[in-house]
Amino acid sequence: TQLLEQSPQFLSIQEGENLTVYCNSSSVFSSLQWYRQEPGEGPVLLVTVVTGGEVKKLKRLTFQFGDARKDSSLHITAAQPGDTGLYLCAGARDSNYQLIWGAGTKLIIKP
Amino acid sequence: GAGVSQSPSNKVTEKGKDVELRCDPISGHTALYWYRQSLGQGLEFLIYFQGNSAPDKSGLPSDRFSAERTGGSVSTLTIQRTQQEDSAVYLCASSLKARPLNQPQHFGDGTRLSIL
Repeated sequence: TQLLEQSPQFLSIQEGENLTVYCNSSSVFSSLQWYRQEPGEGPVLLVTVVTGGEVKKLKRLTFQFGDARKDSSLHITAAQPGDTGLYLCAGARDSNYQLIWGAGTKLIIKP
Repeated sequence: GAGVSQSPSNKVTEKGKDVELRCDPISGHTALYWYRQSLGQGLEFLIYFQGNSAPDKSGLPSDRFSAERTGGSVSTLTIQRTQQEDSAVYLCASSLKARPLNQPQHFGDGTRLSIL
């Protein structure tokens, strides 16, 4: 059972366009993290959101945690080729020992 | 080194052989995680260590998989009698503590395992 659904699974757009990636669940999470992974490397943490409704910005990336803490979104403004990678969301539930991972969104930004 | 180190970076072996994958976490990190990732996919949790203990082994796919951690530092993931479906990238991550779960996990670059 996939407790965290990411969409879309794959996205290929032109440089300069905007995009949004979604991470959805029917479960409540105490916090949610977004990671980016480039080919041949391990994932790198971008942000952690912990409060319902929280919005965090990282340059052109905007992360939002849903009010009910069941979903999150990542919005990229004016995408650049350097944004290319696999974006993974991971949710924490206090009853678990480990994070619940989404299947990832593969993003390609074409010059 | 400053980051999580994994070795080997690539391993090609024949079906039926045993393999050992090594992870050297960031110094001082008490929590260590092993994941498996198929090409371009998300992460499959295998096992985690708090110190030298493994409170959660629920992700190990079969009894051919085992892991240990010694001295609260280096960890080894062993796969016995490898099968072709074991081919994947095996990632190791460490964090300062296991709780709370929202702490950053720092990943190595993985071991790409190919079973012929």
